[in-house]
Amino acid sequence: KQEVTQIPAALSVPEGENLVLNCSFTDSAIYNLQWFRQDPGKGLTSLLLIQSSQREQTSGRLNASLDKSSGRSTLYIAASQPGDSATYLCAVSTSGTYKYIFGTGTRLKVLA
Amino acid sequence: DAGVIQSPRHEVTEMGQEVTLRCKPISGHDYLFWYRQTMMRGLELLIYFNNNVPIDDSGMPEDRFSAKMPNASFSTLKIQPSEPRDSAVYFCASSLMTGQGIQYFGAGTRLSVL
Repeated sequence: KQEVTQIPAALSVPEGENLVLNCSFTDSAIYNLQWFRQDPGKGLTSLLLIQSSQREQTSGRLNASLDKSSGRSTLYIAASQPGDSATYLCAVSTSGTYKYIFGTGTRLKVLA
Repeated sequence: DAGVIQSPRHEVTEMGQEVTLRCKPISGHDYLFWYRQTMMRGLELLIYFNNNVPIDDSGMPEDRFSAKMPNASFSTLKIQPSEPRDSAVYFCASSLMTGQGIQYFGAGTRLSVL
C-alpha cells in the first residue's frame, strides 16, 4: 500500500531564504507526482506535475525533482516571500491511473 | 471558466439527517474526484468518475455514503444518515485525461454534524 510522508510538518523561515520541502513515498511504481499549495480555508492549487519519466519540473521560483528509485521528491522554493506562506502537499498516482495518494503536508510560514 | 464549483460552502446539520453536497466540474473535464480532508487523516480520495462512470469507490467509508454523476456537469455526494465523525471538509476536483492528470480543486464544503 502506497504511503506518502512529508517532512517537516511545519517550517518557519525569514523572507528571502531558499528552502526545500521533502516528500517520500514507499512504492516507486508511480504514474506521476504533483505538488499542491493549499491556503487556509481554500481548495488545493496544483503547482507542478512530474511524470514518472521526468526528473524535474520548474515554474518560476519553484523547482520540483523526482527520484523514483529512492522514493523521493523535493520542492525547492527560491527567494521565499511572505505570499508563499501556505500548506504544501505532494501526491502520487499509481501506475496508469489518476488516483492520487496525498501526503499530510508541510505548513510553511515566511516571515517578513 | 469559473473553475470547479461546490455548494454549499458550509453545512451544519444534526446527527441522523441527510446531507447532499454538490459539485460542478470544469466544462470539458472527463474526470471527477471527491475527497475528504480531516486533521487526523489528511486528504483522502473517496471516489472518482471517468465520463460519468464510477471507476473506484474503494475510499467510500461506509454504505451511508453514496455518489452520483448523472451528467458531465454535475455530481453529488450524499451522506445518509450523517454522524458527527463525518464532520470534515469535502473537496471536489476535476481533470482532463489529456491534461497529464493535473487536478483542479473546488473551494470545498465544510460539513459539521452535531
